[in-house]
Amino acid sequence: AQRVTQPEKLLSVFKGAPVELKCNYSYSGSPELFWYVQYSRQRLQLLLRHISRESIKGFTADLNKGETSFHLKKPFAQEEDSAMYYCALLSFQKLVFGTGTRLLVSP
Amino acid sequence: GAGVSQSPSNKVTEKGKDVELRCDPISGHTALYWYRQSLGQGLEFLIYFQGNSAPDKSGLPSDRFSAERTGGSVSTLTIQRTQQEDSAVYLCASSDPGQGYNEQFFGPGTRLTVL
Repeated sequence: AQRVTQPEKLLSVFKGAPVELKCNYSYSGSPELFWYVQYSRQRLQLLLRHISRESIKGFTADLNKGETSFHLKKPFAQEEDSAMYYCALLSFQKLVFGTGTRLLVSP
Repeated sequence: GAGVSQSPSNKVTEKGKDVELRCDPISGHTALYWYRQSLGQGLEFLIYFQGNSAPDKSGLPSDRFSAERTGGSVSTLTIQRTQQEDSAVYLCASSDPGQGYNEQFFGPGTRLTVL
C-alpha cells in the first residue's frame, strides 16, 4: 500500500540553523513526490516536486530510492519558513499525504 | 487569475442534519479533487473527478458522503445525517492534467463543525 511517513510532528530551530524535514514513503513503482506547505491562515500550496529538481525559497529535496526517502532541506532557516509542511505521493491521480511537520523558526 | 474557491468558509451544523459544500475550480481545469483535513487523520483523499465523472471514489468514508460535478466545473460535496466525526476542514483542489506535471491547486477549505 502507498504510505508517506513524516516522523516529526514539530521541528523547532533557531534562525540561521540548518533544517531537515524527514519524509519516507512506500510505493510499488516509480514514485512522484511533492512537498506542500501551509503558512498560517493561508491555503495549502506546492513547494516543490522531485521531478523538477529545483530549489524553491532555498529548499531542496532529493529522492533517494534506496532509502525510500524524500527529505526536505534548507541550509539556513528563516523566520518566514515557519509553517506546516506536508510530504505527498501521487498515486493514480490522488495525493497521499504524510501527517505533516510543523516547522517553527525562532529569532 | 482566480484560484480555487470554496463556500461556505465555515459551517456549523447539528448532528443528523445534511450539509452541502461547494467548490469552484480554476477555469479550464478538468480534474477536481476533494480531501479532508482532520486532527486525527491528517489529510485524506475523498474523491476525484475527471470532467463530470468520478473514476475514483475510494476515499469516501461512508455512503452518507456523495459528490457531484456538473458542466465540468462546480462540484458539490454532500454529507447526509452528519455525525460529530465528520467535523474537519474539507479541501478542494483542481488541476490541468494536460500540463506535464499535473500540479494540484488547493482552495481555502470549508471548516465543518458538527455539534
